[in-house]
Amino acid sequence: AQSVTQLGSHVSVSEGALVLLRCNYSSSVPPYLFWYVQYPNQGLQLLLKYTTGATLVKGINGFEAEFKKSETSFHLTKPSAHMSDAAEYFCAVSEGTGGFKTIFGAGTRLFVKA
Amino acid sequence: DSGVTQTPKHLITATGQRVTLRCSPRSGDLSVYWYQQSLDQGLQFLIQYYNGEERAKGNILERFSAQQFPDLHSELNLSSLELGDSALYFCASSPRQGGVYEQYFGPGTRLTVT
Repeated sequence: AQSVTQLGSHVSVSEGALVLLRCNYSSSVPPYLFWYVQYPNQGLQLLLKYTTGATLVKGINGFEAEFKKSETSFHLTKPSAHMSDAAEYFCAVSEGTGGFKTIFGAGTRLFVKA
Repeated sequence: DSGVTQTPKHLITATGQRVTLRCSPRSGDLSVYWYQQSLDQGLQFLIQYYNGEERAKGNILERFSAQQFPDLHSELNLSSLELGDSALYFCASSPRQGGVYEQYFGPGTRLTVT
């Protein structure tokens, strides 16, 4: 069965600092992996996704994530945080063999200090 | 704007009542998903429909039901409402079923049960 663990329910960084949000998954088959962002009072929107191919995935707003099969991880990074990055971030996993469920992690709230 | 619409935006009702939440997917999307988001439970997958048929069930209570109509819009019915049902309810859509497709989320319906 699939599962997703996001380490840290809250992460605080200074503006201009590196953003690192951690996600580990478990899946019995090759997974599809996603990061979504939720701004206050809005629905989730896709930041990036990994399906097959290149393990380093680039997304919107300067974010990227690397799929590491050996570590079952899909951590999200951004070299330099901006105040507008303050939001909640969700990692999600779907199985690649026609599974219809996408399992979301508990979310990590990112705070950016001026 | 994701292209997914949800009505109403806000709903306040009393315990024991029944409400219906409506979702219109993006044009051309055949899959519809329903989620519940609350502070204590996080984002919980409820149910998925594909082209009118139920395809996956998550943590959906027996008091809740859903359906997808021939025009692909979907409704989530919540009955015998309890205080604990107060939450944000999101609808999402994707082009097809299967894990490779990202989901496009609507703005949500905020349900308050008093």
